[in-house]
Amino acid sequence: AQSVTQLGSHVSVSEGALVLLRCNYSSSVPPYLFWYVQYPNQGLQLLLKYTSAATLVKGINGFEAEFKKSETSFHLTKPSAHMSDAAEYFCAVSEGETSGSRLTFGEGTQLTVNP
Amino acid sequence: NAGVMQNPRHLVRRRGQEARLRCSPMKGHSHVYWYRQLPEEGLKFMVYLQKENIIDESGMPKERFSAEFPKEGPSILRIQQVVRGDSAAYFCASSPMTGSYGYTFGSGTRLTVV
Repeated sequence: AQSVTQLGSHVSVSEGALVLLRCNYSSSVPPYLFWYVQYPNQGLQLLLKYTSAATLVKGINGFEAEFKKSETSFHLTKPSAHMSDAAEYFCAVSEGETSGSRLTFGEGTQLTVNP
Repeated sequence: NAGVMQNPRHLVRRRGQEARLRCSPMKGHSHVYWYRQLPEEGLKFMVYLQKENIIDESGMPKERFSAEFPKEGPSILRIQQVVRGDSAAYFCASSPMTGSYGYTFGSGTRLTVV
């Protein structure tokens, strides 16, 4: 069975500071990993995905994540936070090789960016 | 190319009524997934459908909930005899027939049961 743990339900950073959102996963097979962002009252937007290619994945809006198998982690980072980054972020894992597999989501991390 | 379209965006139902949530996948997408997000929680998988077939409904509650994806028209998530605990945001996602990773989500339907 697959699972995702996001450490820290709330993270607060200053504008311009480093953003680090933590995600650890559990999977019985090589996983596919995703980060999604959700703005208030909206759906989820895919930020980036890891599908067994390069371990450092670059996404939209300046975000990137690194797959570390030894640590079973897929932490999300951005060098410099912007006010528009304030949102909820979800890490998700899939055990399927095709799009036909379910995603298991973490509980989410609410990111606040202070001026 | 329109994204995944869900309607209505907001739905209010009294206890005991039926709720019907509709999802039109992106053009060319034949896989549809429904997820539920309870307040202050992450998304939980409910059901995965392809045209005219339910592929995986392991996340669906055993009673009152059903889903379909007919040959023509949108996918429908139906909740009969709604209760207050059904209040949540219901998200639909779609993906193309060929191998692809990561879904495209709709904006969701927020169901409130009063």
